[in-house]
Amino acid sequence: DAGITQSPRHKVTETGTPVTLRCHQTENHRYMYWYRQDPGHGLRLIHYSYGVKDTDKGEVSDGYSVSRSKTEDFLLTLESATSSQTSVYFCAISESWSGQNRNTIYFGEGSWLTVV
Amino acid sequence: AQSVTQLDSHVSVSEGTPVLLRCNYSSSYSPSLFWYVQHPNKGLQLLLKYTSAATLVKGINGFEAEFKKSETSFHLTKPSAHMSDAAEYFCVVSEANYGGSQGNLIFGKGTKLSVKP
Repeated sequence: DAGITQSPRHKVTETGTPVTLRCHQTENHRYMYWYRQDPGHGLRLIHYSYGVKDTDKGEVSDGYSVSRSKTEDFLLTLESATSSQTSVYFCAISESWSGQNRNTIYFGEGSWLTVV
Repeated sequence: AQSVTQLDSHVSVSEGTPVLLRCNYSSSYSPSLFWYVQHPNKGLQLLLKYTSAATLVKGINGFEAEFKKSETSFHLTKPSAHMSDAAEYFCVVSEANYGGSQGNLIFGKGTKLSVKP
């Protein structure tokens, strides 16, 4: 299994509060991603990073920000949580695009977030 | 633009019978295609991937998938279902030459596989 740790794994928070989810990898992979999973939608990309301090928006980035100050850590922040952000959040990593593992993305175990 | 359609939201089979999970894709470039499996309250595990080598791809746990460009399909099969196969399965496409969001995967909405004793 890829060395990906997400924290916290479960969190309940109130509407309007800030929340930060952390993803830590031990694989030294360049690319890191945050996805959210909702019933009927599969997984949708929130933000991704292609290097330290290099990030970009995904399909559903509104209301989220990210930071990557070290190769191994990728943080997802909900500045002011809303009930629509209740979801399961998955961190993922991948190597560079060369080699046999090109394009393979490995997922963490998920963080369950409930906004009440 | 990329898209993925999983044709069945639920599939139910009996243990020991074949499994077929259907997936169609749309892609402007040469795609990479994946199947991931997700067991309840777990992350996603890679079952297999197609990256323009052999069109018949073998994966873990006895699963395989065949890339058919003419039909734009990438169906997942297994000759004999096991109780432990009960899970949700996601078909995923990534355009290898897509110059925008590198590594962005487009997920199908998932197929829940139930296996009856």
